[in-house]
Amino acid sequence: DAKTTQPPSMDCAEGRAANLPCNHSTISGNEYVYWYRQIHSQGPQYIIHGLKNNETNEMASLIITEDRKSSTLILPHATLRDTAVYYCIVKPNSGYALNFGKGTSLLVTP
Amino acid sequence: GAGVSQTPSNKVTEKGKYVELRCDPISGHTALYWYRQSLGQGPEFLIYFQGTGAADDSGLPNDRFFAVRPEGSVSTLKIQRTERGDSAVYLCASSLGTGQETQYFGPGTRLLVL
Repeated sequence: DAKTTQPPSMDCAEGRAANLPCNHSTISGNEYVYWYRQIHSQGPQYIIHGLKNNETNEMASLIITEDRKSSTLILPHATLRDTAVYYCIVKPNSGYALNFGKGTSLLVTP
Repeated sequence: GAGVSQTPSNKVTEKGKYVELRCDPISGHTALYWYRQSLGQGPEFLIYFQGTGAADDSGLPNDRFFAVRPEGSVSTLKIQRTERGDSAVYLCASSLGTGQETQYFGPGTRLLVL
């Protein structure tokens, strides 16, 4: 499975957009980009996933570059409750194990 | 509906003891997964069930670890002769059918081996 690279930590002011980058330069054509987050002392929570088109749901937007070598998760109006570790995961459609890595620790400040 | 539940939420045991960790998946989900998360790390895959059978147990660290899912719903992760290095959060997830869909996680069981 392709490896992902994320910054270890980021800060964001409450109410502003949080843009979390992820590099996955070795991604294959059949691999999806998934984002999960983990709030302290809770299990991981699914956010969004995509293959090559940009995706949006009630939680976030996912922007995937045309060459698919990187993506950005956007939380449009961050709140204090969005403080969490965010994991970018690349997974083939035929696979099932999620390879989480270390993620990005996002701190949303008042 | 109800999410994935795991019991106990916390377990403290002594080195050498046997422990069982339970997972109740979302109703109707046929795929079930166990992960382990050590302090400061992301979760790591242990085992995947499709129905009653373990489709992939390649992530189990050694033969002290075993998991069952006898009726295709509830699963139990069993650890024999626990070691201090087994201390971690054990996470369970389930998904709808083939194992390729979105996985939904439980809150985890925090295991501490003294």
